[in-house]
Amino acid sequence: DIVMTQSPDSLAVSLGERATINCKSSQSVLYSSNNKNQLAWYQQRPGQPPKLLIYWASTRQSGVPDRFSGSGSGTDFTLTISSLQAEDVAVYYCQQYYSAPYTFGQGTKLDIK
Amino acid sequence: EVELVESGGGLVQPGGSLRLSCAASGFSFSTYWMTWVRQAPGKGLEWVANIRQDGNEKKYVDSVKGRFTISRDNAQNSLYLQLNSLIAADTAIYYCARTSSITCYDYWGQGTLVTVSS
Repeated sequence: DIVMTQSPDSLAVSLGERATINCKSSQSVLYSSNNKNQLAWYQQRPGQPPKLLIYWASTRQSGVPDRFSGSGSGTDFTLTISSLQAEDVAVYYCQQYYSAPYTFGQGTKLDIK
Repeated sequence: EVELVESGGGLVQPGGSLRLSCAASGFSFSTYWMTWVRQAPGKGLEWVANIRQDGNEKKYVDSVKGRFTISRDNAQNSLYLQLNSLIAADTAIYYCARTSSITCYDYWGQGTLVTVSS
């Protein structure tokens, strides 16, 4: 199974500042047939189901604000929120969809400082 | 508008069974893979199982193989998860999710809570 490890487990950032969350996979999730990383990011606000933010490591889902961006390739990935807003308080998960079981990271809790 | 509504959760004793349902609307259900993901109280997300459009390919996480069965009824726009031989570690909110063409989950239901306890 591919193990997904996020860092940090939690962080607090001031409103308007940048937040960065890292995700590392135990093996590459780069799919050779389409040269795309099979890596997604989800946001889960308190009491809500997860919401898809980013897929293919860097493509924003329709309707997601452009302050959210994803980067990385192979085994190392980053989710960046360029200017933190109050509504961004949530737990963020990375997930690989390269091979079953389609594992998630343990989550990173983001709060306002 | 895409909508996924889970039902069937509840309190069950260890060793018991439950059948979860997910009613889908607002999209062509028969053309999508579908997935169950669970979340233990206060914990992270765990992929549980998925099923191909025609129901003939299914995958499971090892911890539920032989105990859980995923199925679907395309005529009823419904997804199911049969949970047997339940153990305390199965206590979680169970979400159904639409699997997009790129294999991640673009719509989620609100979830149904399964509690396994004596």
